[in-house]
Amino acid sequence: EVQLKESGPGLVQPSQTLSLTCTVSGFSLTDYSVHWVRQPPGKGLEWMGVMWSGGSTAYNSALKSRLSISRDTSKSQVFLKMNSLQTEDTAIYYCTRDPGRYYFDYWGQGVMVTVSS
Amino acid sequence: IQLTQSPSLLSASVGDRVTLSCKGSQNINNYLAWYQQKLGEAPKLLIYKTNSLQTGIPSRFSGSGSGTDYTLTISSLHSEDLATYYCYQYNNGLTFGSGTKLEIK
Repeated sequence: EVQLKESGPGLVQPSQTLSLTCTVSGFSLTDYSVHWVRQPPGKGLEWMGVMWSGGSTAYNSALKSRLSISRDTSKSQVFLKMNSLQTEDTAIYYCTRDPGRYYFDYWGQGVMVTVSS
Repeated sequence: IQLTQSPSLLSASVGDRVTLSCKGSQNINNYLAWYQQKLGEAPKLLIYKTNSLQTGIPSRFSGSGSGTDYTLTISSLHSEDLATYYCYQYNNGLTFGSGTKLEIK
């Protein structure tokens, strides 16, 4: 069974760095790409970036200067780090699986991150 | 590519045929998907590549379109279809529409 699960702190202070982990099961990170998508409360979806199955990354140009995505294939984990957080970064953060065609077929449950002092 | 969904809010009755629209700022070349998001849940893939139904999705959902204009149709609305629907293009960059909230009368 394919599963993705996000984990990380629920609260981050402004200007600090967000670190999230996506732990996957039921598939290999070397066979499938994993994307991060976020959703501010009551708003729409925003693509953030991707860890391609081959190990390279791509980022939303609006976030590129603050965002880093990495992985540990041995642990089936993909990591998101974003620095200089502001209140507008408050959102539900999802990791999603890409079946190789640039859309998303499985999603994690999401993790709510609040940026506040 | 920017995606414009209309209407932003749609109210319909059980059994109605419902049509949701998604228009791109440029040609999407059929690389368009539709997602359903119920309150408090992660989005779910309904349709990919304009009209391919994802495994396990009821056949009352269908997609169509070409160029810049795409449509999601629910042939007979069920009460459990209450949700917000997002279109998503993956032809040039990766972007979502702003969503259509579907209410049941």
